Order: sequence, then structure tokens, then C-alpha cells
Amino acid sequence: AQSVSQHNHHVILSEAASLELGCNYSYGGTVNLFWYVQYPGQHLQLLLKYFSGDPLVKGIKGFEAEFIKSKFSFNLRKPSVQWSDTAEYFCAVNPPNTGFQKLVFGTGTRLLVSP
Amino acid sequence: ETGVTQSPTHLIKTRGQQVTLRCSSQSGHNTVSWYQQALGQGPQFIFQYYREEENGRGNFPPRFSGLQFPNYSSELNVNALELDDSALYLCASSRGGAINPDEQYFGPGTRLTVT
Repeated sequence: AQSVSQHNHHVILSEAASLELGCNYSYGGTVNLFWYVQYPGQHLQLLLKYFSGDPLVKGIKGFEAEFIKSKFSFNLRKPSVQWSDTAEYFCAVNPPNTGFQKLVFGTGTRLLVSP
Repeated sequence: ETGVTQSPTHLIKTRGQQVTLRCSSQSGHNTVSWYQQALGQGPQFIFQYYREEENGRGNFPPRFSGLQFPNYSSELNVNALELDDSALYLCASSRGGAINPDEQYFGPGTRLTVT
């Protein structure tokens, strides 16, 4: 079945460490890609999105993601994490040719940043 | 700008009962999507409403149904509740309907427990 895979379910980092969270999808064609974040006790918020153009996308709070079409990947990165980045991160894809906006989410990665 | 709101926050129902969850979309948004998020999983797409009509559906049985009203608010109805329906139900609103890709703005969710 077509899907979105997030390889790391739990990540623990110290403050100032670099972060990279993997995301792979299995849809062919043109896709729209998203990273959402859920801070403890809060609702899902958009970190960044890719529709077209420059494959390196900058988001809020210093996050960026790189779309690599040949690898079907959209990995999330941050050069130096902070304690406040502790949250759950979800990669999501709007698959092609559905005729409507539908997000297919990965299972999420829980990030814990220790001070 | 008012964000997406959902009610109630929490709900406990008995197996076999029916439940209605409500969502008010963000101002200016004409599209509402519903997702089910089971514990430890990413959200799963249930269906989407655009201008009061269902324009897309995920792999959920017909006992999951919905409505969208002229003010673009929406309801999710679930009949004949099963224990596996216990989850966080998320509503998301967006612009653009079926054609234009757009980010979805999520509400805080309704936590449904079926006993």
C-alpha cells in the first residue's frame, strides 16, 4: 500500500545538537509535502510545506526540509535544537490525482531534547 | 483571526451508541477535513467537505458520516460505536477546495473513549 514512512519513532538529543528526521513516501507523480509539529498539550501546527520550486524549504523556528525526488524523501533538519523543540513531528503527503486535498501522515517521531 | 475550534473536548460513550462531534473552521476557509488519530499513530483521513458536499473519503465505513453547513462549520457523526473508535478526532480547515493545494489548519481535537 502507498504510504508515508518515518524511520525514527523516538529521538533523544541534547540541546545544541543537530537534528535530522527522515521521511519517505511511496507515491509517484507530483506530491505536496508537509511537516507538522505537535507540542505537548497543543494542536498540530504546520512547520513547513513544499509544493514546487526550490527543493530546500525553510520553515518556522529554524527548521528546514529538503525534497529529494529521486529518493522519495523529505527529511526535516535543524542545525541546533532547543529544549522547546521537544514535541512530536509528523511528515505528511498530499498524494497526487486524488481530486481533493487529503493528507497521509507518517506515524510520527517523538523528539525529546534534554537541557 | 479565529482558529479552528472543536467541541466537545472529551467524550465517553458506550459501544453501540452514536456520537456527534463539531468543528468550526477558520475564518475564510471553505474546506473541512476530518481525521482519526489512534494512540501512537499519525492522523488518518476520514473525509473532506467542500461547500457542503463530501468530495473525498478515506477507508472508513459508512457509519462514519458528516455534514458541512453554509457557514462552513462541520459535524462528524459515528453510528454503532465500536471499541476501536476510541481515538482523537481532528478537524482541519483549509481554502481552495478540491483543486488548489493548501495547508490545513488543525483544531485541538475531540478525545472519544468508547467503553
